[in-house]
Amino acid sequence: KAGVTQTPRYLIKTRGQQVTLSCSPISGHRSVSWYQQTPGQGLQFLFEYFSETQRNKGNFPGRFSGRQFSNSRSEMNVSTLELGDSALYLCASSLRLAGTDTQYFGPGTRLTVL
Amino acid sequence: GNSVTQMEGPVTLSEEAFLTINCTYTATGYPSLFWYVQYPGEGLQLLLKATKADDKGSNKGFEATYRKETTSFHLEKGSVQVSDSAVYFCASYSGGGADGLTFGKGTHLIIQP
Repeated sequence: KAGVTQTPRYLIKTRGQQVTLSCSPISGHRSVSWYQQTPGQGLQFLFEYFSETQRNKGNFPGRFSGRQFSNSRSEMNVSTLELGDSALYLCASSLRLAGTDTQYFGPGTRLTVL
Repeated sequence: GNSVTQMEGPVTLSEEAFLTINCTYTATGYPSLFWYVQYPGEGLQLLLKATKADDKGSNKGFEATYRKETTSFHLEKGSVQVSDSAVYFCASYSGGGADGLTFGKGTHLIIQP
C-alpha cells in the first residue's frame, strides 16, 4: 500500500507570494491533518480535514488555509508569505478522525521563504 | 491547552546502553499518548502508543507506560543500537479540540558504536 505522498518536496518562494502544497493520503484514509515543523516552535498543528470538512484548526493566522477533495486529497495554501513561514510542512492521514486512529505521516514539503 | 514536555538533548549513548527519554503531559481529560520517531531526511513514524491509563505500548524493543498519577509516558529501551539514532517525539491527543496532536520539542538521540 502506498504511503502518504506530498508534493512538491522542496519549494522556494519570496515574501508576499502565495504557495499551495499538496497531500495524497493513504488509499481509503478519510482524515488529513497538516503540521508545521520549525526548529524554534517544533511541531505545531495547523488543521484537520475529514470527509471534505475542516474539523479542527490550530492557532495559525487566516493566511493559512486548506481544503480536502472528494478523493480525500488535501491542499494547503499560505498567502502573503512571510520569512517566518519557512518550515517543513507535514501532512498525516488516518482512516478515521485523528486521535481515534493511527496517523501516518508523509515526508514533508520543505518551504523556504526568501 | 494541552502541552507535552520532554528532554531535548542531544542524548548521546554508547551501543547496548539503557535508554530512558522522559515525557510528561498536561491535558484535559485522559488523552491518548504517542511516541513518534523521525530518522534523518524522513517523515515521522509512529513508534508506539497507549490510549488509557496503565496501558503499555511497545514496538522494536521500545516500551512506554501511560502513568496517569504522574502524567508521564517515558520511553525506554534496554539495549540501544546505532540504528536507533534519530529524533524522538512524544505526543498527546485529547480529541474533539483544536489542538490535533500536541508534540513535545523532540529528543535527538545519538548512539555511538
